Amino acid sequence: DAKTTQPPSMDCAEGRAANLPCNHSTISGNEYVYWYRQIHSQGPQYIIHGLKNNETNEMASLIITEDRKSSTLILPHATLRDTAVYYCIVRVLSNYGGSQGNLIFGKGTKLSVKP
Amino acid sequence: NAGVTQTPKFRILKIGQSMTLQCTQDMNHNYMYWYRQDPGMGLKLIYYSVGAGITDKGEVPNGYNVSRSTTEDFPLRLELAAPSQTSVYFCASSRRTSSYNEQFFGPGTRLTVL
Repeated sequence: DAKTTQPPSMDCAEGRAANLPCNHSTISGNEYVYWYRQIHSQGPQYIIHGLKNNETNEMASLIITEDRKSSTLILPHATLRDTAVYYCIVRVLSNYGGSQGNLIFGKGTKLSVKP
Repeated sequence: NAGVTQTPKFRILKIGQSMTLQCTQDMNHNYMYWYRQDPGMGLKLIYYSVGAGITDKGEVPNGYNVSRSTTEDFPLRLELAAPSQTSVYFCASSRRTSSYNEQFFGPGTRLTVL
């Protein structure tokens, strides 16, 4: 079972920031928080990941609480093309593969960006 | 680079038929994965491979077989198709030495078993 809890759906106005929450209250000290998204009918796409510190890249920002029990993915200026299902995943960072490094997908949050 | 390619895009099978879903990546990734996604659900891992000649079961391996004879290819075999195997199948790959092991996904194969 997925170790994360996400709201099933959210709406966001185009041009506004989309803030997607994720609860991972049982996260272990060596587990990272990953975000992927899946645009309709396509394969999932990596967005961002983090351990303790907040992270930012060209796609999004990731804010992790100090106790690491929850996080928020922020899309600063959502566009219609950001409409997708967003998956929050916790996993052990592994350079050597094995089952502990595999991704476990829950149902995610369906984000609808509206004009 | 084409990335991860999958064939066919769509397929309809009759119960009891067999088929192979093809997956190829041109990124020289050591790790490859097969997932299935049922309607309205997240992805579930079927099998994965950490390199040529090495495969291992994921969460839902029953009814499937895999092989990894080359770095590039990771075919998924269905021997006796059942309606429960109606799903969308995604192949993915990742680097061995990446610091974050990002997985790159193919476009998927939509399989219907009637």
